[in-house]
Amino acid sequence: EADIYQTPRYLVIGTGKKITLECSQTMGHDKMYWYQQDPGMELHLIHYSYGVNSTEKGDLSSESTVSRIRTEHFPLTLESARPSHTSQYLCASSEGGRGFGYTFGSGTRLTVV
Amino acid sequence: GESVGLHLPTLSVQEGDNSIINCAYSNSASDYFIWYKQESGKGPQFIIDIRSNMDKRQGQRVTVLLNKTVKHLSLQIAATQPGDSAVYFCAENGVSGNTGKLIFGQGTTLQVKP
Repeated sequence: EADIYQTPRYLVIGTGKKITLECSQTMGHDKMYWYQQDPGMELHLIHYSYGVNSTEKGDLSSESTVSRIRTEHFPLTLESARPSHTSQYLCASSEGGRGFGYTFGSGTRLTVV
Repeated sequence: GESVGLHLPTLSVQEGDNSIINCAYSNSASDYFIWYKQESGKGPQFIIDIRSNMDKRQGQRVTVLLNKTVKHLSLQIAATQPGDSAVYFCAENGVSGNTGKLIFGQGTTLQVKP
């Protein structure tokens, strides 16, 4: 059973709409991450957080923003969706430190029309 | 920049055969490595990990080998089954300090032929 949850699983939305992708974890992990991925392709880090009120931009530039008000919650927002934002968005969390892996959510498949 | 690469984008094997998926990493400072399996439409799932003080680690039907001399990581799957069909990613911790950030490879698609 998943300990990290992403909603919605699928989203089709029109250009210009504001959207928020939800990510929640029940493991008490301090570190959380957002990745953007085209099907079967590389994972690109777009945002990460080391804890409450801590957010950083990742390696891939993104027009999205994130917030971390609670440990368990790490939502990603696009103020004005565009077709170029069509992709899969994966959320992950980690206990942190050098010797820990990530637990991933199931992802949100976003299509902007 | 830092990168973790896989030698082959696609690997096709017969059901019942053993599979070997390879990964070359570039950062000598990496001391923790993970293999993830990603099935279609799902997030990556942890398969097995290995720390740099080990050369080999075995799980259920899977073995990870680490060769630090040539910076090479491999995942061996015994008696490959149709359910093993997925994209496999290796990951390393690089020089992340205590940030916990992982560096992912490009992925190898494993296709299992019945």
